[in-house]
Amino acid sequence: EADIYQTPRYLVIGTGKKITLECSQTMGHDKMYWYQQDPGMELHLIHYSYGVNSTEKGDLSSESTVSRIRTEHFPLTLESARPSHTSQYLCASSERNYGYTFGSGTRLTVV
Amino acid sequence: GEDVEQSLFLSVREGDSSVINCTYTDSSSTYLYWYKQEPGAGLQLLTYIFSNMDMKQDQRLTVLLNKKDKHLSLRIADTQTGDSAIYFCAETNNQGGKLIFGQGTELSVKP
Repeated sequence: EADIYQTPRYLVIGTGKKITLECSQTMGHDKMYWYQQDPGMELHLIHYSYGVNSTEKGDLSSESTVSRIRTEHFPLTLESARPSHTSQYLCASSERNYGYTFGSGTRLTVV
Repeated sequence: GEDVEQSLFLSVREGDSSVINCTYTDSSSTYLYWYKQEPGAGLQLLTYIFSNMDMKQDQRLTVLLNKKDKHLSLRIADTQTGDSAIYFCAETNNQGGKLIFGQGTELSVKP
């Protein structure tokens, strides 16, 4: 049973549109993460947060932005989508060192 | 910086054992994890091991850790077609809790 939810599951959108990918968790975890995963499988950390009002950029430069106004919510926004943003986006949360819990992902296609 | 390496592909026959290998560079790694990703889904935590352990067994899964060689392996006994997936190795050094992921190993199980 998933305790971390991502919506939408699939999204096809035109170039230049603004989009927000939603991620919510019900576990009360302070730490949350966004990963971008290309068809080549490798995961790239693009944003993370260690608590409310705390956000950091990850290892891979991304044109997206994030916010953390509530513990349970960590949305990712693309102001102007481009075809190069086509990818799978995975959200995760964690507590201490018990590993991450991942959402099911959002598969984004920009046409 | 820290790095985690895995071979990209492994193919086995149903009923055989599978062994997926992983090497890492961070000598201060404290927790090591194995995740499974089925097509179109997020990552599912399979198991984890503390760095002061050599082995952990959980039903068909056996994790072996050679801390001296910085080598981690996941053995799946009696591999089934449902085990076909991508398997990610990950580690953390307890500094902020960020996980470093390998590139993923695609396991293909043939009937």
